Amino acid sequence: GQQLNQSPQSMFIQEGEDVSMNCTSSSIFNTWLWYKQDPGEGPVLLIALYKAGELTSNGRLTAQFGITRKDSFLNISASIPSDVGIYFCAGSLMDSNYQLIWGAGTKLIIKP
Amino acid sequence: DSGVTQTPKHLITATGQRVTLRCSPRSGDLSVYWYQQSLDQGLQFLIQYYNGEERAKGNILERFSAQQFPDLHSELNLSSLELGDSALYFCASSPLFNEQFFGPGTRLTVL
Repeated sequence: GQQLNQSPQSMFIQEGEDVSMNCTSSSIFNTWLWYKQDPGEGPVLLIALYKAGELTSNGRLTAQFGITRKDSFLNISASIPSDVGIYFCAGSLMDSNYQLIWGAGTKLIIKP
Repeated sequence: DSGVTQTPKHLITATGQRVTLRCSPRSGDLSVYWYQQSLDQGLQFLIQYYNGEERAKGNILERFSAQQFPDLHSELNLSSLELGDSALYFCASSPLFNEQFFGPGTRLTVL
């Protein structure tokens, strides 16, 4: 089936650092979504992107819909301890019935 | 709070048993999705319903079934449970498609 390659798999960050993660695919998507999941809880929608090249912010989070429609990026500026968690990307394919394809997640861990 | 509710929050049962997980979508959302998440794993899509009709199936085992009722709430039935079925089960809802809003999940433990 279709796959999204999400990287990195995990990141150790220092408080105050900027963080970048991305999702790529060989297929063309018409929607990209970014979610955050805290341990034992349901994923929470952070940002939704609907147009190629679109750049959208939500506080310290900024996400972009890649120009090729095959990738998306999420940046977190000036990370704080509550940013810890797992970030998932999800996208719906151009030729699908809007089914979401999910990345495997990026786990953000704060360095002690 | 996403507006999606799931009950129960925790469920402990034995192998071979059958359980039912319940989900109430956000007010006005017609689509309901079920996902399974095993420990430290990603989200595995199980099944989607739209306005009472099954719309899409993912990696759902034959021992699992679901339905969406006229009031739009949904139930996921898991039968002949095995140890490997222990996981978090999430329900999500959306008004049409694309943006999905997740419930808090049901943690199933099979002993």
